[in-house]
Amino acid sequence: DIVMTQTPLSLSVTPGQPASISCKSSQSLLHTDGKTYLHWYLQKPGQSPQLLIYELSNRFSGVPDRFSGSGSGTTFTLKITRVEAEDVGVYFCMQSRELYSFGQGTKLEIK
Amino acid sequence: QVQLVESGGRVVQPGRSLRLTCAVSGFAFTNYAVHWVRQAPGKGLEWVAVPSPDGTNDYYADSVTGRFSISRDDSKSTVSLQMNSLRPEDTAVYYCARSGYRGYDFFYFDYWGPGTLVTVSS
Repeated sequence: DIVMTQTPLSLSVTPGQPASISCKSSQSLLHTDGKTYLHWYLQKPGQSPQLLIYELSNRFSGVPDRFSGSGSGTTFTLKITRVEAEDVGVYFCMQSRELYSFGQGTKLEIK
Repeated sequence: QVQLVESGGRVVQPGRSLRLTCAVSGFAFTNYAVHWVRQAPGKGLEWVAVPSPDGTNDYYADSVTGRFSISRDDSKSTVSLQMNSLRPEDTAVYYCARSGYRGYDFFYFDYWGPGTLVTVSS
């Protein structure tokens, strides 16, 4: 099974400042088709998870361009260029290279 | 628009059974896979199960293999999760979520339902 490890587990950010979340996988998420099956979700308080980034670096429909994903192989990063109040919640990375597994989640709060 | 709605969650005693249903609309059901994902109170996300798109081999998390059974009804656009021998650690919000697929490869979840709460307690 592929194990996903996120850091940090919590983050407190001043509005307008950047934020970064790291995710590492126990095996490479690069598929033979050339795509990397690493995705990012945000779960806002009291809501279902919502897709932010799919296949490493593609923003889902309606996701603001302040969100970006990068990385390769087993090391990945989600970056928010300027955090806004509406960005609070728990961020999860997820792999779909071999079925599915999730990171533990990173709780983002506003200072 | 794409919608997934779960139903069937309730309080159930340990060792008993429960059936959850996910009803979908707004997209061509047979062109997508529909999964169950759960989240224990205050915890992270755990993928649970998905029916094989060609009906040959369903997939389950190790934690539920042998106890849970998943099925899909293309005529009703529903996916059901039959949960047997329930344990307190099965207590969670159960979400259904949609993904694309190619052969036996499944892709990211792009839409999720609001979830249904299952509580296993005596």
